[in-house]
Amino acid sequence: SYDLTQPPSVSVSPGQTASITCSGDKLGDTYACWYQQKPGQSPVLVIYQDSKRPSGIPERFSGSNSGNTATLTISGTQAMDEADYYCQAWDISTVVFGGGTKLTVL
Amino acid sequence: EVQLVESGGGLVKPGGSLRLSCEASRFTFNNAWMSWVRQAPGKGLEWVGRLKSETEGGATGYGAPVRGRFTISRDDSKTTMFLQMKRLKTEDTAVYYCTTERLGGHDHWGQGTLVIVSS
Repeated sequence: SYDLTQPPSVSVSPGQTASITCSGDKLGDTYACWYQQKPGQSPVLVIYQDSKRPSGIPERFSGSNSGNTATLTISGTQAMDEADYYCQAWDISTVVFGGGTKLTVL
Repeated sequence: EVQLVESGGGLVKPGGSLRLSCEASRFTFNNAWMSWVRQAPGKGLEWVGRLKSETEGGATGYGAPVRGRFTISRDDSKTTMFLQMKRLKTEDTAVYYCTTERLGGHDHWGQGTLVIVSS
């Protein structure tokens, strides 16, 4: 089975840049997307097709994907960005999620 | 705004069956790929399966843990998707989310319905 690996946790100071990585074999050969999930809420798509933002997602969210690693970058991180973040890609026709990263803003 | 409303969750014994529903509105349902994603308590997201649009043949796909036990179907006349779950196991305990797949990602999610498998 195809695995996507994320760091369990990332910490960032308010106003700084947070980077969350997602690693998988030849991940750059397929599209990656990212979801934000706050406690008690459903996930929200924040990046799709590696680097595109859905309507309503702030510009401070950006993404990239190359080689074996996809990266979600949050510039000028705000307290409201504290959440769990999940990457997701496809293995042939099945959907694979990373294990999730808890982003702490402190 | 797209609306997805799941229902049908509850408590069921191991080996039992349950059918979840996802009522969709405010988008063209019969052209949309639909999926189920679950999240066990305190755990991450896990893809359950997908149903392509009828216009693309309506093919289904399932994650390995549920393949052969779960079946996804849709009723386009009622803009509703279903998840029939059989031979349930304790490890199937989770919140089950209904999603649309329209942007190359799961772009809309319902509020989820909780399934508890326990004796």
